[in-house]
Amino acid sequence: AQSVTQLGSHVSVSEGALVLLRCNYSSSVPPYLFWYVQYPNQGLQLLLKYTTGATLVKGINGFEAEFKKSETSFHLTKPSAHMSDAAEYFCAVSEGNFNKFYFGSGTKLNVKP
Amino acid sequence: SQTIHQWPATLVQPVGSPLSLECTVEGTSNPNLYWYRQAAGRGLQLLFYSVGIGQISSEVPQNLSASRPQDRQFILSSKKLLLSDSGFYLCAWSRVTGNTIYFGEGSWLTVV
Repeated sequence: AQSVTQLGSHVSVSEGALVLLRCNYSSSVPPYLFWYVQYPNQGLQLLLKYTTGATLVKGINGFEAEFKKSETSFHLTKPSAHMSDAAEYFCAVSEGNFNKFYFGSGTKLNVKP
Repeated sequence: SQTIHQWPATLVQPVGSPLSLECTVEGTSNPNLYWYRQAAGRGLQLLFYSVGIGQISSEVPQNLSASRPQDRQFILSSKKLLLSDSGFYLCAWSRVTGNTIYFGEGSWLTVV
C-alpha cells in the first residue's frame, strides 16, 4: 500500500527566503514521485516528477526536489520565494503500473512581503 | 496536444437531488481516467479510476458512482446527494504507459 505524508499543512516564508516543503512516502515498490501546485479554484499543475535516474529533479518556476530512498523523502525546495509562489502544493506517489496516483493532504504556502 | 474538460464548473444542489459531472479528454486514446474529491483541509481523495470503457474501480464506499460510456468520457453521478458530498471534484487522465497525471479545472459542488 502506498501513502504520502506532507508535514505542515501551512508554511509561511518571507519573499526571498528559502522554501522547503516536506514529503515522505511509503511504497512497496520503487516509487514514482511528483509535486503539483494548485492555485485557488483551479486544477493541479505538474511542477516536477521523479521516475528513474538522477535523484535531484528540477521543475518549473525554479523548484527542485531530491529523491532520498534511505529517508523515503521527496522534499520540494526553492532558493528564493516569490509572491507568485503562494499556492497549495501536493506531493504524490504512484506505482509502476501508473494506474493509481495517491496524493498527500497538501501544504499551503504563504509568502510574506 | 491533449486537453481535458469537465463541467459544470460550479453547481449548487439541494440534498436528495441527483448529480452528474462530466469529463472528456481530447487528443489521446484509451487514457486512464480518474475522479478525485478535494474537501477543505483534507487533500485529494481518489474516488474512482478507469482503465477502459465500462471498467470502473472504486477506491472508497460512498454515495457516488462513476461510468465510462465512451473511451474518453468519464461521468460522476449520484442518485441522492448528501451534505457531505460537497467539495471540489477533479477529473484527471494519464496515458496507459505514461507516468504523469493531468487534471481538469475542477467542479465546485455545494449541497444545501
